[in-house]
Amino acid sequence: DGGITQSPKYLFRKEGQNVTLSCEQNLNHDAMYWYRQDPGQGLRLIYYSQIVNDFQKGDIAEGYSVSREKKESFPLTVTSAQKNPTAFYLCASSLAGEPQHFGDGTRLSIL
Amino acid sequence: AQKITQTQPGMFVQEKEAVTLDCTYDTSDQSYGLFWYKQPSSGEMIFLIYQGSYDEQNATEGRYSLNFQKARKSANLVISASQLGDSAMYFCAMRAPPDGGNQFYFGTGTSLTVIP
Repeated sequence: DGGITQSPKYLFRKEGQNVTLSCEQNLNHDAMYWYRQDPGQGLRLIYYSQIVNDFQKGDIAEGYSVSREKKESFPLTVTSAQKNPTAFYLCASSLAGEPQHFGDGTRLSIL
Repeated sequence: AQKITQTQPGMFVQEKEAVTLDCTYDTSDQSYGLFWYKQPSSGEMIFLIYQGSYDEQNATEGRYSLNFQKARKSANLVISASQLGDSAMYFCAMRAPPDGGNQFYFGTGTSLTVIP
């Protein structure tokens, strides 16, 4: 079955540590996205990529970095510069004109 | 700037009744797409229904329908015959333009509780 796989489901970060969230899709979608969701809030865009080797900052990119070396993969690194990283992170992908498909999310917490 | 507004933080509905979740949007684009997603407590986002700005008919998908009023810039979701499994967060989203830029804009969501 085609879909989007996010891993891990739960992640814990120590102070001063960078962590990387994985997002893989086998839907052959060109565009991929990362969102952050805080409790009781909507989705805020961190980064998005429309093609391989290209990505754009969203509304809250500070403290995060991404890469898009392959069409199928769009990993998100939460750096130590992100002072409040505890949140639910959702990855999505889409074709032009189509709805976004979402992964099951990663819950990141601070130790 | 694009913007989506959902003014109902929480809604309650009796099982088997219909419920309307409000969504208004703001865009200067003539061509755009409107989406509704459901997010159960487990966290995944489930696509429900889509309406294009040039679609003359309101979109319907099973028990879901979208009441699209273009002049008022509203795209309300109607759920008929509510079921207990409909209890979830519901998000309205917009993509503008639908076949060009790939950025989506989300509202803050409405929490729906279905009462037995």
